[in-house]
Amino acid sequence: KAGVTQTPRYLIKTRGQQVTLSCSPISGHRSVSWYQQTPGQGLQFLFEYFSETQRNKGNFPGRFSGRQFSNSRSEMNVSTLELGDSALYLCASSLGGIKDQPQHFGDGTRLSIL
Amino acid sequence: EDKVVQSPLSLVVHEGDTVTLNCSYEVTNFRSLLWYKQEKKAPTFLFMLTSSGIEKKSGRLSSILDKKELFSILNITATQTGDSAVYLCAGQIIQGAQKLVFGQGTRLTINP
Repeated sequence: KAGVTQTPRYLIKTRGQQVTLSCSPISGHRSVSWYQQTPGQGLQFLFEYFSETQRNKGNFPGRFSGRQFSNSRSEMNVSTLELGDSALYLCASSLGGIKDQPQHFGDGTRLSIL
Repeated sequence: EDKVVQSPLSLVVHEGDTVTLNCSYEVTNFRSLLWYKQEKKAPTFLFMLTSSGIEKKSGRLSSILDKKELFSILNITATQTGDSAVYLCAGQIIQGAQKLVFGQGTRLTINP
């Protein structure tokens, strides 16, 4: 079974630009969550999608947005990039149903802002 | 505010030693406690603990949750150099909502 796939693996952008990151969950998983990982703040929750609906959102500015498609694939968008957005962005998927199920992570997209 | 605190932040031991990693949490609407191992890339799932006092084991790794005292421990026996990694603890809030609150991680280094 293929794991969580994130593309691209690396991105370099400049301040003010926008970026879109993609995540394909494990087959059959309907919940997709996004996290930002930095050396200073660790892993922080951005948002979670289930059946194309955002169910939960972390404490990030509105420049961070996402969506989920009918095939459960998800995209995350960051607009007006700032230097502080440089981070590893991790996507995690789970079945997301009633029973407790762990989240499984992709390898992440490393975003560098110049 | 939800908080997960891990200790120690860093640990260096010799191969063959036994280590205990700690995780305390203050998470509203707490549902489960999860442990992950992160080497260079994706955090890899180790354990999910929902019930208090029931130990989960996988090979040389084991973990237990105390919901009264709000903490969990991860034990690794007979450590190997391949166990070197950052170990992350996370609290999961309420059933169904897949939000994890992570601790800072414990960086474990196993010297041969």
